[in-house]
Amino acid sequence: QSALTQPASVSGSPGQSITISCKGTSSDIGDYNYVSWYQQHPGEAPKLMIYDVTKRPSGVSDRFSGSKSGNTASLTISGLQPEDEADYFCSSYSSINTYVFGTGTKVTVL
Amino acid sequence: QVQLQESGPGLVKPSQTLSLTCAVSGGSVSSGNYHWSWIRQSPGEGLEWIGYIYSSGNTYYNPSLKSRVTISVDTSKNQFSLNLRSVTAADTAVYYCARRVTGEYYFDYWGQGTLVTVSS
Repeated sequence: QSALTQPASVSGSPGQSITISCKGTSSDIGDYNYVSWYQQHPGEAPKLMIYDVTKRPSGVSDRFSGSKSGNTASLTISGLQPEDEADYFCSSYSSINTYVFGTGTKVTVL
Repeated sequence: QVQLQESGPGLVKPSQTLSLTCAVSGGSVSSGNYHWSWIRQSPGEGLEWIGYIYSSGNTYYNPSLKSRVTISVDTSKNQFSLNLRSVTAADTAVYYCARRVTGEYYFDYWGQGTLVTVSS
């Protein structure tokens, strides 16, 4: 059970859009529509931002959106804002009641 | 509002057992609506799912840790626990407890996390 692969860092200017990729395998992302994304500010607990690939929990800005193609999921942040600067992790349900997380991406707002 | 709070020793010696507890408020660990989870984050690394327990007592563990992990629940105290045996420096991490809604496939509430260092 290997970690999902994410870029180490992504940056953008305020107002721009950025996309974070999350590459898995046919045993996790490719086989299930159960990808979730978490935002983590330094010293804080992770916060759920996207679940079931595309769904947003109540209270999460619609600037955050998710998608999936094959074994790769993506998180897009539109209209980038300073408060979006954080670490982002993807996660996927995998076979036999297990879960796998991504390696994490640091988003920097320039 | 659901709140989860981890507690336990911040320092554990190599080869010993790491023991943590997660106190739950605003919800019941005996409810069949939730699974109760442990997740960890090693320094500078990503998150790693450890396992979770259902109200029935059924447990599911990360295959890479299964031989050393036990997760249990104490309904009288509304808390659940993690025991990780034979620890090494590689088990140094921030340990989080989290909640998963039964039938869903994400973790909606997390504790603040507690740092456990394995060192002699």
